[in-house]
Amino acid sequence: GAVVSQHPSRVICKSGTSVKIECRSLDFQATTMFWYRQFPKQSLMLMATSNEGSKATYEQGVEKDKFLINHASLTLSTLTVTSAHPEDSSFYICSARLAARGTGELFFGEGSRLTVL
Amino acid sequence: GDSVTQMEGPVTLSEEAFLTINCTYTATGYPSLFWYVQYPGEGLQLLLKATKADDKGSNKGFEATYRKETTSFHLEKGSVQVSDSAVYFCALSTGANSKLTFGKGITLSVRP
Repeated sequence: GAVVSQHPSRVICKSGTSVKIECRSLDFQATTMFWYRQFPKQSLMLMATSNEGSKATYEQGVEKDKFLINHASLTLSTLTVTSAHPEDSSFYICSARLAARGTGELFFGEGSRLTVL
Repeated sequence: GDSVTQMEGPVTLSEEAFLTINCTYTATGYPSLFWYVQYPGEGLQLLLKATKADDKGSNKGFEATYRKETTSFHLEKGSVQVSDSAVYFCALSTGANSKLTFGKGITLSVRP
């Protein structure tokens, strides 16, 4: 099956610094990738939709200047949390849709846990 | 807008017990329905799916039937195992390139 990989899986940073999380589709091309945030014991909240070669579409209430998303190629999307603060600590998950499929099926990365001290 | 409602959890069962996790939805259009599973410390994995009414998705002993008349997609398994302990999310998607809408998820714990 299709594989999506995230890196790093865990990251700890100091308040005020920026952190970049990568999401790669390893064996397929993904024209669309999604970034989710998961709070403890809660569902996934969609943050933004990332389309290759164009600007990301952010969900209401998500600060685009804080959560920078870049989708420069069909196999890589990055999420940069700028000037991170403790409230940004969370589990961030990306998912990718196969370029040739239209069934709505997504493949998820293993997630990246961010802890901001 | 689209929404998914899951039964409240957590759920704790003994091994070999029967499992039902309820899921209902509201959607504009004709959605595809999914169950995702998240094992401890891991990302989500697709468990099963159904794309049209009366379809039954099945995988690893789990089943769910797309019921349009009751707008439901309940997840069932006849005999759970300890290894089934995880968080289960019901989700829907409308249209070819539409995003997934998730339910809140429910934690299942299976005792030996």
